[in-house]
Amino acid sequence: DAKTTQPPSMDCAEGRAANLPCNHSTISGNEYVYWYRQIHSQGPQYIIHGLKNNETNEMASLIITEDRKSSTLILPHATLRDTAVYYCIVLNSGGSNYKLTFGKGTLLTVNP
Amino acid sequence: GAVVSQHPSRVICKSGTSVKIECRSLDFQATTMFWYRQFPKKSLMLMATSNEGSKATYEQGVEKDKFLINHASLTLSTLTVTSAHPEDSSFYICSARRPRAANYGYTFGSGTRLTVV
Repeated sequence: DAKTTQPPSMDCAEGRAANLPCNHSTISGNEYVYWYRQIHSQGPQYIIHGLKNNETNEMASLIITEDRKSSTLILPHATLRDTAVYYCIVLNSGGSNYKLTFGKGTLLTVNP
Repeated sequence: GAVVSQHPSRVICKSGTSVKIECRSLDFQATTMFWYRQFPKKSLMLMATSNEGSKATYEQGVEKDKFLINHASLTLSTLTVTSAHPEDSSFYICSARRPRAANYGYTFGSGTRLTVV
């Protein structure tokens, strides 16, 4: 699976949009981009995933560049409860055992 | 939605004893479950892949005789930390995969905080 690069930390003001970048320059054609987050001392929570089109759900939007080498997770109106470590993961859709491998992620701190 | 229940949430045990952690998929059948370990301020590290009805596949460096995994049914996987020592103190998290779900069905348990004294 392709590796990802994320900034170690980011700050965001409450109510503002949080834009979390992720580089995945070695992504291959059948690999999806997944985003999870982990609030302190809890299990990871699925946010969103995409292949090449931009995606939006009730939690966030995912913008994937045309060459698919990078993506941005957007939390449109960050709240204090969005403070967490956000993980960008690239996952091959093929194979019988799809292992989610976590990098270091980005610690997003939402400030009042 | 898919729910994974992990029990216990916290456990304190004496050095040398064994501890069992359960991971249950409550509303779906999970042919594959994953076990992770997380040390403070570190990322999740995959320990093993648990497959129903067959032996678990361990990641490099993980002692299979120390971390016993049993996946005897489609809704339950257990991780037993045998002869626990203080260095085994960590946050253990399971994940269950539901095939053909919209997001490939990776759902995580709430984790188990193990403290070995």
